[in-house]
Formats: sequence, C-alpha cells, structure tokens
Amino acid sequence: ETGVTQTPRHLVMGMTNKKSLKCEQHLGHNAMYWYKQSAKKPLELMFVYNFKEQTENNSVPSRFSPECPNSSHLFLHLHTLQPEDSALYLCASSQDRQGALGNTIYFGEGSWLTVV
Amino acid sequence: DAKTTQPPSMDCAEGRAANLPCNHSTISGNEYVYWYRQIHSQGPQYIIHGLKNNETNEMASLIITEDRKSSTLILPHATLRDTAVYYCIALTNFGNEKLTFGTGTRLTIIP
Repeated sequence: ETGVTQTPRHLVMGMTNKKSLKCEQHLGHNAMYWYKQSAKKPLELMFVYNFKEQTENNSVPSRFSPECPNSSHLFLHLHTLQPEDSALYLCASSQDRQGALGNTIYFGEGSWLTVV
Repeated sequence: DAKTTQPPSMDCAEGRAANLPCNHSTISGNEYVYWYRQIHSQGPQYIIHGLKNNETNEMASLIITEDRKSSTLILPHATLRDTAVYYCIALTNFGNEKLTFGTGTRLTIIP
C-alpha cells in the first residue's frame, strides 16, 4: 500500500471510445504526476500538477487530457487513442514540486491500458 | 541527473543478504541517491534514499561510499517477494527533474 490508488487496474478500449483513469493519493501531498511506461522503455513523464495547477505538459498529444480537481485527485481522460498508446500509466505524488532537496515520489500500482 | 550504472542481473539465495551495487561517479554535491524497485506488472516502489550518510529503514539499508561515487543497497534477509528490478537514481529532487529509471538490476531470489 503506497498511499496512491489508481483505478481501473486494467482497461481495454476501442480507438473511438472515451474513458478515464483515476488516481487518488492519501498522503497529503501537493504535487501529482502522470507517467507512461511502455514495454522495454524508460518512464516518460506526461503531466505535472502542483497545488492543482498544471505546471508541466511534456509534449503529450491532446488525446490525453488531464484533470486535477483538488490536490488529492488526478484524472487522465482518454479519447481517440491509438494502439501504440497501450502501456502502463502510472500516477505518482510528492510532497511539493518545488520541495526541499531529497523530495520523494510515490507511485500507484498503475493502470494497464490496451487500445484495440 | 548523474548517470548511474548497475549490473543487469543478480541472483541471491532466499534468507541471505542481497547486496545491489550502483556506480554514480559523476554525482554532484546536491544529488541524492534513490532506490526504487518494480515488481512485474506493478508501479515502482520507493525503497530508500540518501545523500552522504548511510541510511536504514524497515525495508533496506543504503551504504554510500565516502567519495559518493558508488553505493550499495542491502536487503538484509531476502525473500522470494523481493524478486524485482531494482533502480538506482541520482537527482536533486523529483519535483524539478524528469525521472529516468534506466534499465536497473533484475534481482532473482532463489529458493
């Protein structure tokens, strides 16, 4: 139990579907992140939110749309995805994006997405 | 981030101490050494981190050499559930830097 909960754990969707991934953190952190992990590739940072404000969009296609209604919840809305978007999507949180040296990031279990 | 180098794989007998090395010869003065592990199909799990001093928590110990150019993660009594890929990362803090895990060390605990 890491304090970061992601749902669903597995999702299969068609290319024309609209779905959402949900993340909730119970750690009282102020920063939340979305990462993508594809097979045999390193983690790719997608979005960063600090105090509910998006502070980084790492050139992510618009078919991925994040939403952060409060510091504890983060969503990733998915629309017209491609098969190559199939991957493990990881949510993470840390105390503060601009925190002291030695800030630690905690990951959720991830959501396995398959686009067919 | 400083580049880190780890052996691609290691085996350890169940119940023995697992010692995972990491080289980070270009580490700068304000970069911490972090260790994470990833069990197949799950998100990365934080283990421990340190700057200069050796650190210990309920999961592991981290030994950092005096010159900070290398470190060793020690799992004192390895169990089968410790089989995972272990990543050593050097950076100042996650909030300001893009996290790159690299290839890590695949640790297999042998019954």
